[in-house]
Amino acid sequence: AQTVTQSQPEMSVQEAETVTLSCTYDTSESDYYLFWYKQPPSRQMILVIRQEAYKQQNATENRFSVNFQKAAKSFSLKISDSQLGDAAMYFCAYRTSGGSSNTGKLIFGQGTTLQVKP
Amino acid sequence: EPEVTQTPSHQVTQMGQEVILRCVPISNHLYFYWYRQILGQKVEFLVSFYNNEISEKSEIFDDQFSVERPDGSNFTLKIRSTKLEDSAMYFCASSENRVGKNIQYFGAGTRLSVL
Repeated sequence: AQTVTQSQPEMSVQEAETVTLSCTYDTSESDYYLFWYKQPPSRQMILVIRQEAYKQQNATENRFSVNFQKAAKSFSLKISDSQLGDAAMYFCAYRTSGGSSNTGKLIFGQGTTLQVKP
Repeated sequence: EPEVTQTPSHQVTQMGQEVILRCVPISNHLYFYWYRQILGQKVEFLVSFYNNEISEKSEIFDDQFSVERPDGSNFTLKIRSTKLEDSAMYFCASSENRVGKNIQYFGAGTRLSVL
């Protein structure tokens, strides 16, 4: 069974600085997807970034980028120029390939709470 | 921008009562999901639904739970006889699930409090 591990329960960063959140996963599949979701205090789950396992190029979305190391099964999130609004819980998630209908459930890590200091 | 809508935002119920959590997925999506997050814990998969039937369910999704798509727009999660441990945030998500379009979009969640 696939597992996702986030080993940093809490992280803090100074406003305008860069922070990296770690995520590792375990799978025997060769084709899958990885996601980072942000959960602010409102508890809404907001997609931050997505990475397809077959793509070698790391995904980027504005100030957010990932370091995807497929062989090491590592998928870290880098937030550049951190802003106060980035403060939230961040979840790493793995999408299974699913069954014959390919619905693909998400498997989440435990989450990392990011504090941004002014 | 289209979004997943969940109602109510907060539901308080007595232990043993039935609750129905409602979701309106994004209109052109065909795949629907329910997840649960107990306070302070990670988000857990409950069930996925496609073509009017359950595609996959987790161990959490026992006989007390059921899902239904009663019409063309709503997707519901029913808990027949709530227990204290059912208190959690319940998230609905939907997806197109085509190649390159497999992002799951989440609703804002329903906080269920079982007393």
